[in-house]
Amino acid sequence: DQQVKQNSPSLSVQEGRISILNCDYTNSMFDYFLWYKKYPAEGPTFLISISSIKDKNEDGRFTVFLNKSAKHLSLHIVPSQPGDSAVYFCAASPYYGGATNKLIFGTGTLLAVQP
Amino acid sequence: KAGVTQTPRYLIKTRGQQVTLSCSPISGHRSVSWYQQTPGQGLQFLFEYFSETQRNKGNFPGRFSGRQFSNSRSEMNVSTLELGDSALYLCASSLGGKEGTEAFFGQGTRLTVV
Repeated sequence: DQQVKQNSPSLSVQEGRISILNCDYTNSMFDYFLWYKKYPAEGPTFLISISSIKDKNEDGRFTVFLNKSAKHLSLHIVPSQPGDSAVYFCAASPYYGGATNKLIFGTGTLLAVQP
Repeated sequence: KAGVTQTPRYLIKTRGQQVTLSCSPISGHRSVSWYQQTPGQGLQFLFEYFSETQRNKGNFPGRFSGRQFSNSRSEMNVSTLELGDSALYLCASSLGGKEGTEAFFGQGTRLTVV
């Protein structure tokens, strides 16, 4: 059962335009969400996170939006740059009544930014 | 500040053997988690250690085990290796609390079972 879903396996965007990556989740016990960027044969690199008590978080060119009622989050990258080309993973952390750093990952979206 | 260090980077083992992977977290981080990445299953949580105690466990067989030392370094062991254990094994460290729970990953250990 895939609790975190990224329904678009790939996305192609022109340099300078906005990239929007989407993620849906099914478990209402998730209370913290993160986005990671990954190159082949390397570990994921943390990009940005958001707590479930917020609906938006910005960090430079990256903004994450959370819609709890729809169980949906998105990552906006503006402006997109060729160096942003990578696989992007959405991840969620469940609340178990205590701290945990367990992450449930989506299947990833391959972003290609065309010069 | 040094990042998460995993050793070795690459490993080739024979079916039936056992293997131990090592992870040194970022200084000051007390939580270490392990993940398995395969083309078919994506990134899957194995287990998490915090202050030398296993705090969470994923749905993997008992052949997969781990431990954490007092300096927060962690090891992961896989016994009786199977071909399907071939994967990229990733270690992630974090402070351990809920806020600032961002996990920072190492480069991974590529395990090939033949």
